[in-house]
Formats: sequence, structure tokens, C-alpha cells
Amino acid sequence: EPEVTQTPSHQVTQMGQEVILRCVPISNHLYFYWYRQILGQKVEFLVSFYNNEISEKSEIFDDQFSVERPDGSNFTLKIRSTKLEDSAMYFCASSRTGGDSPLHFGNGTRLTVT
Amino acid sequence: GQNIDQPTEMTATEGAIVQINCTYQTSGFNGLFWYQQHAGEAPTFLSYNVLDGLEEKGRFSSFLSRSKGYSYLLLKELQMKDSASYLCAVRDANNAGNMLTFGGGTRLMVKP
Repeated sequence: EPEVTQTPSHQVTQMGQEVILRCVPISNHLYFYWYRQILGQKVEFLVSFYNNEISEKSEIFDDQFSVERPDGSNFTLKIRSTKLEDSAMYFCASSRTGGDSPLHFGNGTRLTVT
Repeated sequence: GQNIDQPTEMTATEGAIVQINCTYQTSGFNGLFWYQQHAGEAPTFLSYNVLDGLEEKGRFSSFLSRSKGYSYLLLKELQMKDSASYLCAVRDANNAGNMLTFGGGTRLMVKP
């Protein structure tokens, strides 16, 4: 069964550094998403992406964040200047369409900012 | 915006049945999803409801009442491996992004 893949599985970075989290969505899916989950808290929406542009973003997704689909398969999340509070599990997800189409999640990247 | 409420924790016994409730408020309901999340892992899709009634999938069933803004996930013949968090999520038709908004999750502990 096709799956969403994310790299790296763990990333440790120093405060103020830039990080890029990478994702390969399921190949015939049209919608891509980034979510984050701070330890012990809920899964929070960051951004959705469709047709090569952002379709929706949350208040969390401020100017420090950006997304890109640099080629036909990868989908990346960049955090320009990491803060301690950015430490979380970051999940990439994709869905075939909207409506009844569920989100399929990757295994996540655990980001630790020191 | 959306408001999704579910109990924080539940405990049940192996072999029993457990019902996990979810209430939601949303301006443009376009479907309710249940996910399972084991500790340290990704959420995995369990079920989807958009019309009122019960959807059954093996040991798992999910019910929806749109007029009450209410859903439940029913787990039968509980197994130890069912110990996990169960996440209720809603899709809002007024959001262009088709994303899901998640509740805080219900942590289910299955005891022998």
C-alpha cells in the first residue's frame, strides 16, 4: 500500500538555525498538509497545499514557516529561525481529494530545538 | 472556527466494548473522521461519517448525528493492542484547504 514518507525521522538543531523537513506524499494525491504535535498535546494544523500553492494556513504558520514543492514528488516545510517552542513532532499528510478522502500521515519528524 | 471535545482518558477491560464520544461545533460540516494514534506514531485512519447513522468496519463502528453535533467510536472485543489514543477530526466545507481539525484525543487503556 502506498504511504507518505518523511525524512529525517529525528532532527536536533540549535535555536535560530534553519531546518527543512522533507516529505514524499502518495503519488496520486492532490492535497498536501503539514501538522505538528507538541508532546502530550493535540495534532495541530499548520498548512495545506493544492495545485502548487497554499490553500489554507493556521495562525501558527507565521513568516518563519514556508512550504515548497520543488519537484514532482517532494513537499518540504522550512522553518527559517527555529525557536525552543518549535520542538514538536511534525507530520506530513496527503489526501486524494477533499470530501470523503481521509488524510494519510507520514511517520513524522521529531524536531528538537536546543 | 471549530470546537471538538472528547474525554481525555478511558479505561476498559480486554474483551469488553468501549464507546468513545466526540462532540463538535463547526460552521460548515463536511465529514467526521476517527483516527488511532499509538504513542510516538502517526495517526492512522479508522472511519469516516458524513451522513447520520452507523458505519461498521469489523470490530470498529462509528456513529454520527449531525443535528446533535455528536459522534462516537465503538470498539468491540477489545484487545491489548487497542491501547492507543483515538482522535476525532472534522472537515469544514468553509475551509478551502480541505484540512481536518482534530480534537485532543482520548487515551484508551485496555487492561487484562
